[in-house]
Amino acid sequence: QKEVEQDPGPLSVPEGAIVSLNCTYSNSAFQYFMWYRQYSRKGPELLMYTYSSGNKEDGRFTAQVDKSSKYISLFIRDSQPSDSATYLCAMSGVGTGNQFYFGTGTSLTVIP
Amino acid sequence: EAGVAQSPRYKIIEKRQSVAFWCNPISGHATLYWYQQILGQGPKLLIQFQNNGVVDDSQLPKDRFSAERLKGVDSTLKIQPAKLEDSAVYLCASSLGAGSKNIQYFGAGTRLSVL
Repeated sequence: QKEVEQDPGPLSVPEGAIVSLNCTYSNSAFQYFMWYRQYSRKGPELLMYTYSSGNKEDGRFTAQVDKSSKYISLFIRDSQPSDSATYLCAMSGVGTGNQFYFGTGTSLTVIP
Repeated sequence: EAGVAQSPRYKIIEKRQSVAFWCNPISGHATLYWYQQILGQGPKLLIQFQNNGVVDDSQLPKDRFSAERLKGVDSTLKIQPAKLEDSAVYLCASSLGAGSKNIQYFGAGTRLSVL
């Protein structure tokens, strides 16, 4: 079983839709949870960073962590064509050697 | 603040040739990472440096890959000889420290094609 599982998509939605991206994980030692956005032919850029369980909101983006279910989500409200990218979840923890464990990425296209 | 710089952006070589990539991290960042990202996959850590020392190179194919960070700033990653399966994007990232809470910032990557 992989440490982090992420549906690769592709996901295609109309502009203005609410998008839900998800990752599951198996290691309960993960404490820090991140979402990176990666545009085509670019490096990943940090979008959201959360510690432990709970929600964090930043503009149109909301990150949600449910440690009891080992499940994290990223919600994008009022999606825009500029949100078209691959979204990678990543997680780390003190008990995991401080490494970042990445999902495979979900490819999102927002259609105008 | 300048981001992580990488060069070259693209490289095409034939199998069995050698290639080198360069990375300059964000100023003041002690920790530097090299990742390999194969198309459709998440980044895979190859090597992690803390200043000029290696913290983790457990997934680096040491028979053909080498990396150094001699002065604790810039780093180079070398492949010699290259194989077809080395075709990937090589990402460099840096963070302030090595702890798990430290955010990693990525460069744009070097896209390698091995023919």
